[in-house]
Amino acid sequence: SQKIEQNSEALNIQEGKTATLTCNYTNYSPAYLQWYRQDPGRGPVFLLLIRENEKEKRKERLKVTFDTTLKQSLFHITASQPADSATYLCAPYNFNKFYFGSGTKLNVKP
Amino acid sequence: GAVVSQHPSWVICKSGTSVKIECRSLDFQATTMFWYRQFPKQSLMLMATSNEGSKATYEQGVEKDKFLINHASLTLSTLTVTSAHPEDSSFYICSARRQGAVNTEAFFGQGTRLTVV
Repeated sequence: SQKIEQNSEALNIQEGKTATLTCNYTNYSPAYLQWYRQDPGRGPVFLLLIRENEKEKRKERLKVTFDTTLKQSLFHITASQPADSATYLCAPYNFNKFYFGSGTKLNVKP
Repeated sequence: GAVVSQHPSWVICKSGTSVKIECRSLDFQATTMFWYRQFPKQSLMLMATSNEGSKATYEQGVEKDKFLINHASLTLSTLTVTSAHPEDSSFYICSARRQGAVNTEAFFGQGTRLTVV
């Protein structure tokens, strides 16, 4: 069955550093992959989408890579700020559906 | 970005009653909407895919008679939790994609916190 894995442990980093979050998937080949941010008690907010024929996508301080051979996506936040603290979810897309990883909680300390 | 609105934001109901949650795309038309459920400290679990004008497609293990989904228009999908029980207490979230959009992102509502007492 399809499986999406994200680091379940919280990622704690210092303000100003680069945060790197990992998303691995198995048993399917998504046409594209999305990253979302979720704050407690709120719905996910869309951040970035990367397609299978794209290696890298950037938006301001955010960067996403997509390696279809490794079946992995990396999500980077450069010059991280305490306001970036949240849970980040990856969602590969295939067969008209989005499934979510368990999310990685990011804590940026001032 | 596109706006998806859910109503209500939270609801408390008695065990055995039914609750309806609405999901509206405010500034775009959505052929497909998705319903998710999220338990504390867990990820979003896809419950069903709602297609305008046709029956919803339910994920394995989701009871279609308990979670009734109606997608009567291109801007509204509803989820009705029938005969709710305390174990149905959860955070329910909908998402929608623009009509005709291919390989594009889904936008989420703010979620509905359901508590069954």
